[in-house]
Amino acid sequence: QKEVEQNSGPLSVPEGAIASLNCTYSDRGSQSFFWYRQYSGKSPELIMSIYSNGDKEDGRFTAQLNKASQYVSLLIRDSQPSDSATYLCAVKFMDTGRRALTFGSGTRLQVQP
Amino acid sequence: EAQVTQNPRYLITVTGKKLTVTCSQNMNHEYMSWYRQDPGLGLRQIYYSMNVEVTDKGDVPEGYKVSRKEKRNFPLILESPSPNQTSLYFCASSPSVNTEAFFGQGTRLTVV
Repeated sequence: QKEVEQNSGPLSVPEGAIASLNCTYSDRGSQSFFWYRQYSGKSPELIMSIYSNGDKEDGRFTAQLNKASQYVSLLIRDSQPSDSATYLCAVKFMDTGRRALTFGSGTRLQVQP
Repeated sequence: EAQVTQNPRYLITVTGKKLTVTCSQNMNHEYMSWYRQDPGLGLRQIYYSMNVEVTDKGDVPEGYKVSRKEKRNFPLILESPSPNQTSLYFCASSPSVNTEAFFGQGTRLTVV
């Protein structure tokens, strides 16, 4: 069973702080990793994709990938109340063939004004 | 505007009454899939399609059917809905199976 694990939260941070969201996955051979943001009752929205070890930055968001330790993280700098949402980690497992992404259950982030 | 469009957005139906949720994408994506989202269980794939006339089961296919007669459309069919199919459903499309997925607006289905 291929798994993607996330702490459900809520993770509460003050406005302006750095929010750190973590995700672990079960398949060492996985190559594609994604972070989605989902507001309550809305559809998931792609924030970042990362394919290689290291950091990838896009605006206030930084994705970090460590394939040896099988974790991927998302840092949100200068957190804003509008960042309050559930963040989903998604992984494309290598041996699931034509099946698509496997999602974690998500971490709920609350940014306090 | 590039988008994935689902209809209806909300649906309340009775047990056993056949229904179809439509999904259409305008990005010429080959890969399309259906997910359901339930509290504590996250997004689970129901069915997927690699291309026209090519469909296969995901992780939770029981009670569902799909078809892919055209590249842009991928309807989800519940032949005999049951209350355990009450959920939030998302259609998604991707350029390929290894790339990011783009989601429709979601369909909240209640089966009573």
